Amino acid sequence: GNSVTQMEGPVTLSEEAFLTINCTYTATGYPSLFWYVQYPGEGLQLLLKATKADDKGSNKGFEATYRKETTSFHLEKGSVQVSDSAVYFCALSDPGGYNKLIFGAGTRLAVHP
Amino acid sequence: SQTIHQWPATLVQPVGSPLSLECTVEGTSNPNLYWYRQAAGRGLQLLFYSVGIGQISSEVPQNLSASRPQDRQFILSSKKLLLSDSGFYLCAWSKLAGIKNNEQFFGPGTRLTVL
Repeated sequence: GNSVTQMEGPVTLSEEAFLTINCTYTATGYPSLFWYVQYPGEGLQLLLKATKADDKGSNKGFEATYRKETTSFHLEKGSVQVSDSAVYFCALSDPGGYNKLIFGAGTRLAVHP
Repeated sequence: SQTIHQWPATLVQPVGSPLSLECTVEGTSNPNLYWYRQAAGRGLQLLFYSVGIGQISSEVPQNLSASRPQDRQFILSSKKLLLSDSGFYLCAWSKLAGIKNNEQFFGPGTRLTVL
C-alpha cells in the first residue's frame, strides 16, 4: 500500500546549522507530496508542497524536491533558527481520492542557541 | 479568507462519559472535512472524512463516530469514552474533491485526556 517513511527524531541542531529531514514514499501513480509543520500545542500548517516529479517546493527558507527516481522528498534548510523547533510531517496524497493524505510519523526538530 | 475553528481547546473527561467535539469552517463552501487523532509522540491517524452533509466515511473501527449536520460543521462524538481515546484531535478541510491533490488546512486541535 501507499506509505511515507521519515527519519526518526529527535533531530537536535545548533542555530545556523544545516538541516536535512529524510522522507521516502511508496505510492501508486503520481501523488502530490507535502511537508507540514506542527509547533508545540498547535495544529498543522502546510510548509510546502510539490505536485509532480522534479518540482521543488519552497517556503520560509525550507526546500524539498520531488525525486521520482528515488521516491524521496527530503526537507532541507541552509541555516536553522530556534524558532524552527517543531515537529515536521511528510505526507502524500492518497490516490484513492477525496484529497486524503497519508502522513509519516513526524520528526521532531530541536534547535538550540 | 478561510478559517477553521475547533472547540473546546482542552477537555478532561472520565472514562465512560460521552464526548462531543465540534469543528466549523468559514469562508468556503462544500469542503471535504476530516478528523484525525494524534496520540502522544505519534503521527496522525485519519479517523473520518466527509465529502458532504450527512456523508461520513470511517477509516478505522473504533469507539468514536462523526456527523456532518451542516455543510461547514463536523462533529466527533462518543457515547462512552475509553482511556485509549486520549489524544490530540485535529479537524481539517480541503477544497472540493473535483480538484485533485489539494492540501488540507488544519484547525488548532482539541487535547482530550480521559481519566
